[in-house]
Amino acid sequence: KNQVEQSPQSLIILEGKNCTLQCNYTVSPFSNLRWYKQDTGRGPVSLTIMTFSENTKSNGRYTATLDADTKQSSLHITASQLSDSASYICVVAFRGATNKLIFGTGTLLAVQP
Amino acid sequence: DTGVSQDPRHKITKRGQNVTFRCDPISEHNRLYWYRQTLGQGPEFLTYFQNEAQLEKSRLLSDRFSAERPKGSFSTLEIQRTEQGDSAMYLCASSSGRTGSTDTQYFGPGTRLTVL
Repeated sequence: KNQVEQSPQSLIILEGKNCTLQCNYTVSPFSNLRWYKQDTGRGPVSLTIMTFSENTKSNGRYTATLDADTKQSSLHITASQLSDSASYICVVAFRGATNKLIFGTGTLLAVQP
Repeated sequence: DTGVSQDPRHKITKRGQNVTFRCDPISEHNRLYWYRQTLGQGPEFLTYFQNEAQLEKSRLLSDRFSAERPKGSFSTLEIQRTEQGDSAMYLCASSSGRTGSTDTQYFGPGTRLTVL
């Protein structure tokens, strides 16, 4: 079954601290893996996209890693800010014409002052 | 604003009524997607358009659901005889189709449907 699982489900950290979110997937055939940020009541916003051959990609304070052999990914957030409070969703795209995406359930991050 | 827009943002309806949502993609994006998101879950794929052609539909899209993109620009999603289980956020996304498999899908703000 094609699935994307994320951990932890929720996380509370203090402003300025770092954190790492985890993602495991069983989607096949695999095309690429994406991390999205979704603020409450809003649509998801793309943070990173990584293909099979990419191990790491950064976007500002966000750094994503991908191990295609173990089918695991992580998203590291450095020096967290209050505005980082959101749901972070790991998304895997099928290889094929439609780029159909399979979404994880997300990690809800709360950054406290 | 040149992003993806959706209308309405919120819709409350009674069970059994029909509802229609509209999505306006980013100009010149030829790919358009509909997703459904329930509370605490990630979005689930519903259907995909390449220009005006509907190329894929999920099994989630029952006979009560129909989507169109008549001129390859805006799209509508209609739900007939709504049920309480249809209550969800309906998200639309578009992409340019220019970068193939790594196309970024840009999401709209969603339409939150509540069926009473």
